[in-house]
Amino acid sequence: TQLLEQSPQFLSIQEGENLTVYCNSSSVFSSLQWYRQEPGEGPVLLVTVVTGGEVKKLKRLTFQFGDARKDSSLHITAAQPGDTGLYLCAGLPIYNFNKFYFGSGTKLNVKP
Amino acid sequence: EADIYQTPRYLVIGTGKKITLECSQTMGHDKMYWYQQDPGMELHLIHYSYGVNSTEKGDLSSESTVSRIRTEHFPLTLESARPSHTSQYLCASREDRGNYEQYFGPGTRLTVT
Repeated sequence: TQLLEQSPQFLSIQEGENLTVYCNSSSVFSSLQWYRQEPGEGPVLLVTVVTGGEVKKLKRLTFQFGDARKDSSLHITAAQPGDTGLYLCAGLPIYNFNKFYFGSGTKLNVKP
Repeated sequence: EADIYQTPRYLVIGTGKKITLECSQTMGHDKMYWYQQDPGMELHLIHYSYGVNSTEKGDLSSESTVSRIRTEHFPLTLESARPSHTSQYLCASREDRGNYEQYFGPGTRLTVT
């Protein structure tokens, strides 16, 4: 069982649609990060959330950290083909500051 | 922009060869990590380091070894490459204060024939 459950695993949508990716756990995190990765490249950090209830916006992307710091969501408004990629969440649990635990990823394909 | 570098970016090598994947960062981070990832799949932690002269095995068993003689350098070595080692290897380093942000290098795509 993974510490961070990420859903959905796959998402194929049309350009202009909205979508939400979820990252859930029963553990509390001191820091949770979202990454986007393109094939053959390393993950690129999009955002870090650290405060319960925090909401951060990055253009058409909205990130939310749950009040209890156990879950997070990524919402994309009016998706574009350039949003296509693998989205990963990673959490640093409060009981272990040494390493991040990753979700299994969401493969997003936005069709023109 | 993250200042973390990996070389080579791509490597095709025959079975039984010894290889070293290089990773360097200029951010002065103490914590560094190696992950293994098959295309489009989840990341698996194989090694990490708290700082100079510190190395730890990760969650996924790996036949590779690592060393940390300098803060900025965290190379990974495979003594005898096998086809099962074919994968993408990602190096990362992390802040030890603030938001603890982790940054990745571009990866090395290894193919063992």
